[in-house]
Amino acid sequence: DTEVTQTPKHLVMGMTNKKSLKCEQHMGHRAMYWYKQKAKKPPELMFVYSYEKLSINESVPSRFSPECPNSSLLNLHLHALQPEDSALYLCASSPTQDRADGYTFGSGTRLTVV
Amino acid sequence: RKEVEQDPGPFNVPEGATVAFNCTYSNSASQSFFWYRQDCRKEPKLLMSVYSSGNEDGRFTAQLNRASQYISLLIRDSKLSDSATYLCVVNIIASGTYKYIFGTGTRLKVLA
Repeated sequence: DTEVTQTPKHLVMGMTNKKSLKCEQHMGHRAMYWYKQKAKKPPELMFVYSYEKLSINESVPSRFSPECPNSSLLNLHLHALQPEDSALYLCASSPTQDRADGYTFGSGTRLTVV
Repeated sequence: RKEVEQDPGPFNVPEGATVAFNCTYSNSASQSFFWYRQDCRKEPKLLMSVYSSGNEDGRFTAQLNRASQYISLLIRDSKLSDSATYLCVVNIIASGTYKYIFGTGTRLKVLA
């Protein structure tokens, strides 16, 4: 299994809703990442988990809350989002955070906040 | 100055042409380098790593110049299917941890 699976593929939510994005990999990777990508822009790093511990938080607003329940799963909990948070949210994994072999990305969740 | 910069393009080239993209990075402590390809509304996919001695994979050649802090990608004999955005990625150490920084991307359109 060489995939990173993200669910849902599309999500529309209101500004008062609470939702979660899910990411799963079974490649034995110990580093997992959340990126946010706006249209015609490059992916921007949000969070990094290394061995299930939060390693990097790129000053992301607290309305985004990551969780890594185990080495295969990564969640992103969303609460009280703004319309400008609408974007493609990409999950990625790599063998370890410092193993420079390249990331494997999931196909993303396209989020629309209304 | 952005940490990783690319010419956004678009580069419109005819089929069969050779096209080159450059990417510059500002952090001299950058550890490793990659080219990713991203199709419209899809996720980025690793195209190739970039090694100090330069490396080739079929029609694609990547070069690294550490002294000048730039990376290049050469595509020979362009195909229609090469149309995509090409993202330069640099792995840096910041505050004792590694992270990938993506360049702004260069759009390539190969025309029939």
